[in-house]
Amino acid sequence: GAVVSQHPSRVICKSGTSVKIECRSLDFQATTMFWYRQFPKKSLMLMATSNEGSKATYEQGVEKDKFLINHASLTLSTLTVTSAHPEDSSFYICSASRSGAGTEAFFGQGTRLTVV
Amino acid sequence: DAKTTQPPSMDCAEGRAANLPCNHSTISGNEYVYWYRQIHSQGPQYIIHGLKNNETNEMASLIITEDRKSSTLILPHATLRDTAVYYCIVRAFTSGSRLTFGEGTQLTVNP
Repeated sequence: GAVVSQHPSRVICKSGTSVKIECRSLDFQATTMFWYRQFPKKSLMLMATSNEGSKATYEQGVEKDKFLINHASLTLSTLTVTSAHPEDSSFYICSASRSGAGTEAFFGQGTRLTVV
Repeated sequence: DAKTTQPPSMDCAEGRAANLPCNHSTISGNEYVYWYRQIHSQGPQYIIHGLKNNETNEMASLIITEDRKSSTLILPHATLRDTAVYYCIVRAFTSGSRLTFGEGTQLTVNP
């Protein structure tokens, strides 16, 4: 199956700093990628849709200035958590799929963010 | 996308078949049933999907009732590595890969 790679897998940062998470589709081009976050023992919650060459679409309640998304190429989307605080600590996961309707989504391995 | 209902947890003995049910009584004609699983602290993994016919691949079988209001994911010979949260998701064929996750079923395979 297709591979989506996410980096880093774990990161610890200090409050007030920013953290960038990368999501790459390794063997296909993805015009759209998705970012999710997951709290312990909870399900995945969609944060935003990343569109190559245009602005991301954020879900209701997600601060776009807090979670900056850039999708500069067909194989790379980045999520930057700006001015991170302990409540931003979570598991962040990206997904991508090949172009075309109905294709299955492939997920990255996730990034565990801990803000201290 | 239609809402799904799954039992919160299930247990299965190693080597036996695991049958995971999903109710999607409000599914509409253009919506597919997808199954993903998430092993602890990893990203979700695609398992299988179907529209109305039963489907089988190397990982699992998917049985969809004739009225399409429910389905069952079958892992024919469960192993300890199949312990995970299993998500049943219904989505329209044209909605791309935007997925709405419910709470899923925590399957625990016991030795």
